[in-house]
Amino acid sequence: DTGVSQNPRHKITKRGQNVTFRCDPISEHNRLYWYRQTLGQGPEFLTYFQNEAQLEKSRLLSDRFSAERPKGSFSTLEIQRTEQGDSAMYLCASSEPTGSTYEQYFGPGTRLTVT
Amino acid sequence: GQNIDQPTEMTATEGAIVQINCTYQTSGFNGLFWYQQHAGEAPTFLSYNVLDGLEEKGRFSSFLSRSKGYSYLLLKELQMKDSASYLCAVEGVYGGATNKLIFGTGTLLAVQP
Repeated sequence: DTGVSQNPRHKITKRGQNVTFRCDPISEHNRLYWYRQTLGQGPEFLTYFQNEAQLEKSRLLSDRFSAERPKGSFSTLEIQRTEQGDSAMYLCASSEPTGSTYEQYFGPGTRLTVT
Repeated sequence: GQNIDQPTEMTATEGAIVQINCTYQTSGFNGLFWYQQHAGEAPTFLSYNVLDGLEEKGRFSSFLSRSKGYSYLLLKELQMKDSASYLCAVEGVYGGATNKLIFGTGTLLAVQP
């Protein structure tokens, strides 16, 4: 396994369109996280899953955002009716327990541009 | 509230030592991470501190003082490839969810010849 993968790497869409991103975590990692990062900022937490259960969703996420992890493996993040403010890098990370904490491994990200 | 502060930019010379500071105020504390992020790439893990003191890993060391809400990342023998953004992140306890990372804005380090 070569790490966390994300598809697509880049997405350009027009305002109002729906987009869906996919994340494949490292095999057997039971935790999966979604973050959003804008230029010059650190990643901001969006949501995370333990296995197939979505355990937390940030207040940053409006009702236009939804995430799923149906079989506890890959995850999808959908944004409906995209807005220009949604333009960002969307990062996925996965983890399993390492001692007392869960070290998170990040994927390369999906860069979304909303025109 | 939750707040993580680190300098926006730093410049250092190849072969030198640089220290990047991070101060934090968070809900609970379950450890502090440092990540390196090159432009257009994913963050990669550098270090983790949960107890006070210094953790050394090759050219990189990280220090933590929980009572002061303070950490630093020390980079020795700087190389040009160390030019990147360095992200300080705290793993806190937020409501019922643990292991969520709160990131600072990152420190963009430029290593000059």
